[in-house]
Amino acid sequence: DTGVSQDPRHKITKRGQNVTFRCDPISEHNRLYWYRQTLGQGPEFLTYFQNEAQLEKSRLLSDRFSAERPKGSFSTLEIQRTEQGDSAMYLCASSLKRGGPNTGELFFGEGSRLTVL
Amino acid sequence: GQNIDQPTEMTATEGAIVQINCTYQTSGFNGLFWYQQHAGEAPTFLSYNVLDGLEEKGRFSSFLSRSKGYSYLLLKELQMKDSASYLCASPYAGNNRKLIWGLGTSLAVNP
Repeated sequence: DTGVSQDPRHKITKRGQNVTFRCDPISEHNRLYWYRQTLGQGPEFLTYFQNEAQLEKSRLLSDRFSAERPKGSFSTLEIQRTEQGDSAMYLCASSLKRGGPNTGELFFGEGSRLTVL
Repeated sequence: GQNIDQPTEMTATEGAIVQINCTYQTSGFNGLFWYQQHAGEAPTFLSYNVLDGLEEKGRFSSFLSRSKGYSYLLLKELQMKDSASYLCASPYAGNNRKLIWGLGTSLAVNP
C-alpha cells in the first residue's frame, strides 16, 4: 500500500493524558498537512510542512498541540494534557505542489480517531 | 472573511442526476476542490476547478463561475455507493497550503 498511513487508528485516553499520532505520507510527496474533523463538520486546518519545515500553523491551535517532521518524511502530532474538546478525527494528508498535471490535491490517510474521556 | 456554503443534506434516487451547489466568498481565489467522504472514511479527491466552465470526469462533473462565486458538482446515473458527504473546499486567501472547507453535503441515494 503506497497511500498515506496513520497510526493509531483509534485512541481512547483520559483527560489530562498526552497522546501522539504518527503519519507516513506518500513517499514522493514533500507537502504534509494535519487536519482535524468532528462529526458533521468539514476538516479544519491545523498545520502544514514542506519537507521538514513547518510553514503554517493554525492560530486555533493551542500550545498543547505540537507537530514535527524531523527528516521530511513521517510526521508526528502530539497533544499534551488532553481535554474532552480534543475528541475528533485527526487527518493527515500529503500532496505534490500544484503545477503542470498536478492539481495539488490532498491524499488523506484513514485518520486517527481520538476519544478523550 | 472567507466562507463556503453548501446544503446540509440532499436525497436522490438511484439512476437519477443530482446537482450539489457550493457558494464561496474568498480573497485571492485560487481554485475550488470537491472531495467525497464516505462515513467513517477519509475524504477523497473528486475535482479541481480554477477556470470558469464545466469539467467532466466520468459520471461526475464540476462547474465553476468565478464571477458568481459559485460551483456545483453534478452526479449522473446515481448509484447506491454514491451515498456520501460531498465537501467543497478552497485555498484560504489563495494559499494552497491551507484549505477552507464547507460543512459538506450529505447525499442519500435511495433505491
